[in-house]
Amino acid sequence: QKEVEQNSGPLSVPEGAIASLNCTYSDRVSQSFFWYRQYSGKSPELIMSIYSNGDKEDGRFTAQLNKASQYVSLLIRDSQPSDSATYLCAVNRNFNKFYFGSGTKLNVKP
Amino acid sequence: GAVVSQHPSWVICKSGTSVKIECRSLDFQATTMFWYRQFPKQSLMLMATSNEGSKATYEQGVEKDKFLINHASLTLSTLTVTSAHPEDSSFYICSATPDRANYGYTFGSGTRLTVV
Repeated sequence: QKEVEQNSGPLSVPEGAIASLNCTYSDRVSQSFFWYRQYSGKSPELIMSIYSNGDKEDGRFTAQLNKASQYVSLLIRDSQPSDSATYLCAVNRNFNKFYFGSGTKLNVKP
Repeated sequence: GAVVSQHPSWVICKSGTSVKIECRSLDFQATTMFWYRQFPKQSLMLMATSNEGSKATYEQGVEKDKFLINHASLTLSTLTVTSAHPEDSSFYICSATPDRANYGYTFGSGTRLTVV
């Protein structure tokens, strides 16, 4: 079983819609959770971090964490074509080693 | 803050030669840095953890004699791909953080290595 699982997509949404990206993780002791965005040929950039159960909002982005279900998600409101990228979910144990999902490719159609 | 610089951004080398990639934390000190490799359309795979002043910790399946890591200062880690072969062609990325508890890890810009 992989440490972090994501649907590879592609997920296609129209411009202005809400994009919902999901991630599950296998180790219950995981403590911190991150969403990264990676454009083709570029390195990942951090979008959101979340440590506690519930929702965390930052602009158009909302991260949701449910530790009981070992599930973390990212919602992107008012999706823009510039949001088209691969979104990587990362899970961290003991604030040390990161485990990445394989990423979900998002296409936002104008 | 939390800027990680990586150099070079791309390199082409001949099979059998060695290539050195540098990773610098520009505005913070990093006792630990991480090196990742990413093949096309695949996720990031952790290769090794670079520890300042001590030996690197390699992930299972990563040849430590082939991928030499040196972390001689709190702001610099280097990855040397020795005797490179075409199968080593990949995107190599380093990461670090100034504060493990409160920051996500910041990634360098990556190095595209092509071995011909």
